[in-house]
Amino acid sequence: GENVEQHPSTLSVQEGDSAVIKCTYSDSASNYFPWYKQELGKRPQLIIDIRSNVGEKKDQRIAVTLNKTAKHFSLHITETQPEDSAVYFCATNGQGYQKVTFGIGTKLQVIP
Amino acid sequence: EPEVTQTPSHQVTQMGQEVILRCVPISNHLYFYWYRQILGQKVEFLVSFYNNEISEKSEIFDDQFSVERPDGSNFTLKIRSTKLEDSAMYFCASSEGTAYFGPGTRLLVL
Repeated sequence: GENVEQHPSTLSVQEGDSAVIKCTYSDSASNYFPWYKQELGKRPQLIIDIRSNVGEKKDQRIAVTLNKTAKHFSLHITETQPEDSAVYFCATNGQGYQKVTFGIGTKLQVIP
Repeated sequence: EPEVTQTPSHQVTQMGQEVILRCVPISNHLYFYWYRQILGQKVEFLVSFYNNEISEKSEIFDDQFSVERPDGSNFTLKIRSTKLEDSAMYFCASSEGTAYFGPGTRLLVL
């Protein structure tokens, strides 16, 4: 089945700096790559997603890049703010929508 | 904006008891999922459901687990005989391409 590797597991940045989280996946048939943000005790919330027909997508301070050849995708957060502090999960669907597999999560801490 | 809802928010049960976790997916979604998250760990896939049947399940989803869509709106997860290690947050999700999660049910097995 699909295997998603995510790193780093923890990341501390100064407020205003950028943060980058990287994921690799194993199933070349995967075509959908969402990113979720989970605050303590809350549900995972979709923050951005990308489909395999594009290489990059941006939404204000958040961007995601996808390299299908290398089977990796990354989340970039610019101008980080304290409220960006959370656990971020990458995910991918494998073949179809029967299953969305999550990475292990990255705990991001933005230091004011 | 429509949301996935789950009840109860918290459930405490004795080991060996049956529990039923309930979810109301977003109404026009076709795919439904259950995930669990042990405290501080990753979100783990349990099962997906499409067209009134299980479409995929993980090795965690053994014979103690079952899912059902008893009517047009509810989607349930039943654990027949709970074990201590079933203690976790259980998230329901629904999808029409993008998975949206419910707020979760925190299950504690004593």
